[in-house]
Amino acid sequence: GAVVSQHPSWVICKSGTSVKIECRSLDFQATTMFWYRQFPKQSLMLMATSNEGSKATYEQGVEKDKFLINHASLTLSTLTVTSAHPEDSSFYICSANGGQEARGYEKLFFGSGTQLSVL
Amino acid sequence: EDKVVQSPLSLVVHEGDTVTLNCSYEVTNFRSLLWYKQEKKAPTFLFMLTSSGIEKKSGRLSSILDKKELFSILNITATQTGDSAVYLCAVRPYGQNFVFGPGTRLSVLP
Repeated sequence: GAVVSQHPSWVICKSGTSVKIECRSLDFQATTMFWYRQFPKQSLMLMATSNEGSKATYEQGVEKDKFLINHASLTLSTLTVTSAHPEDSSFYICSANGGQEARGYEKLFFGSGTQLSVL
Repeated sequence: EDKVVQSPLSLVVHEGDTVTLNCSYEVTNFRSLLWYKQEKKAPTFLFMLTSSGIEKKSGRLSSILDKKELFSILNITATQTGDSAVYLCAVRPYGQNFVFGPGTRLSVLP
């Protein structure tokens, strides 16, 4: 299946700093990537849809200026948590549709996730 | 509003037991339903279902979809401790993003 790489796996930062998370599709081109947030023992919450070459589409209640998304190429999307605060501590996961039909276009493939802890 | 409901939310069984996890949905323009297994990190794909009544099977896991009654079940037979995980059901409507259910947390005791 298609492979999605997410980096870093975990990050600890001080309050007020910005953190960048990368999501790469390794063996396919992803015109659309998705960013999710997950709190302990809860399901995935879609934050935004990242579209290559255009602005991301944010879900209601998600601050655009707080969570900056850049999808500059067909294989890379980044999520930057700006001026992070302790309440931003969470597990962030990216995903992408599996490229062409033969690679499983209908399916979502997930990155390994990033555990963010803001002190 | 599109909605996916899973039951039970948590389940504790012993090794060797058989479990059935339920997923019901209310979406407009249904396209597909997917099951994922999430252990410590990211979800891993299990099944994708698009047609009613056709069972998908992989080892001890199987799943089936009923588009008339708007639900799917995931069966796990002869459970093992390695089956302990959160099982997520996701539905994809045409032209829209996936909608995830809350998940079922399965704990398999030795």
